[in-house]
Amino acid sequence: NAGVMQNPRHLVRRRGQEARLRCSPMKGHSHVYWYRQLPEEGLKFMVYLQKENIIDESGMPKERFSAEFPKEGPSILRIQQVVRGDSAAYFCASSANRGGNEQFFGPGTRLTVL
Amino acid sequence: RKEVEQDPGPFNVPEGATVAFNCTYSNSASQSFFWYRQDCRKEPKLLMSVYSSGNEDGRFTAQLNRASQYISLLIRDSKLSDSATYLCVVTNTGGFKTIFGAGTRLFVKA
Repeated sequence: NAGVMQNPRHLVRRRGQEARLRCSPMKGHSHVYWYRQLPEEGLKFMVYLQKENIIDESGMPKERFSAEFPKEGPSILRIQQVVRGDSAAYFCASSANRGGNEQFFGPGTRLTVL
Repeated sequence: RKEVEQDPGPFNVPEGATVAFNCTYSNSASQSFFWYRQDCRKEPKLLMSVYSSGNEDGRFTAQLNRASQYISLLIRDSKLSDSATYLCVVTNTGGFKTIFGAGTRLFVKA
């Protein structure tokens, strides 16, 4: 049973470019969470999605960031017009049910903005 | 005040030592509680869930005190392989917003 998959593992972008981060949840999981981790800091919740729905995006910056989880295919975290401050590790997690259950994390995507 | 606060660390302990981590949370309506472990530059992995009755898994014991809004993790007979960052995790009402503490770093020395 494959775990949570994220790609790319490393992504380098220049300021102003777009970054697309992909996450495939564990088989049978329909709940996806995105987190951001800055160097030497804890994980910050960004958004929680179920298939085709954004349930809670209270942790998402108001501009440039968006997320989706289409009916088919992986969840996508999109960052437009990246800035140096966007450099971080972005982790995706999935769970079988809503809250109260273990979240399984992917290996993360390390975004570097030059 | 942060929603989830942990001991700042780092904790430097010799092999075989017993070490305890504490965590407090601010939302009294919080639903679920966990300890995760994160190795350097890796993803977090669940260590154990935390219940009011307390739970134990081998050398690890977790406790929850809802009245004091306090969570603890006790590691007995520390091993070198226990060296990692330990994350206190709280899920709030509605069960979907998960709050991670900043983590406590543990170094176990030979």
